[in-house]
Amino acid sequence: DVKVTQSSRYLVKRTGEKVFLECVQDMDHENMFWYRQDPGLGLRLIYFSYDVKMKEKGDIPEGYSVSREKKERFSLILESASTNQTSMYLCACRNRGIGNQPQHFGDGTRLSIL
Amino acid sequence: QKEVEQNSGPLSVPEGAIASLNCTYSDRGSQSFFWYRQYSGKSPELIMSIYSNGDKEDGRFTAQLNKASQYVSLLIRDSQPSDSATYLCAVNRGGGYQKVTFGTGTKLQVIP
Repeated sequence: DVKVTQSSRYLVKRTGEKVFLECVQDMDHENMFWYRQDPGLGLRLIYFSYDVKMKEKGDIPEGYSVSREKKERFSLILESASTNQTSMYLCACRNRGIGNQPQHFGDGTRLSIL
Repeated sequence: QKEVEQNSGPLSVPEGAIASLNCTYSDRGSQSFFWYRQYSGKSPELIMSIYSNGDKEDGRFTAQLNKASQYVSLLIRDSQPSDSATYLCAVNRGGGYQKVTFGTGTKLQVIP
């Protein structure tokens, strides 16, 4: 089974702080994704990466950046946290492989910005 | 028009009944379709994937795809209270396109 591990289940930070959310996968999958999930808005893609050091903006990249220095690790960075970034953050990975592959999710990080 | 649309529900069905969850999508080039189940406070978990027109069965779950109508559905037979969750429909264009677009989900309640 694919294992996607997010560093924290719950996190509380203050407005203006720089926040790091870490995600590690153990299946050597090329693609990794960061989403946020809010009631009524569903899953919204923030950034994704299809290879080491490669990244592409998703639908809502403003206020976020990412880093992928190693294949198994994909970090989401909130440069200066704001209260509207309080949300559930979900990391996912996907095998680019042959055929159409599903995404596999981590357990999520519930982030509160005070 | 949203790229992937689902009725938010809640959809309430009695225990033992068939639950029918529906999803429509706007991109005619979509190739792969996924159903995820998400319990409250938890992350989505994959239930079914379907790529070809028709039905695909896995235990109590059946996914149905009609590309001409841009419609995909999930049937849950013999619904159990443990099936109560939000069900997310996800669509991918396939090929080299990496992004997956999710619907906002349908909340299912199975009444004992």
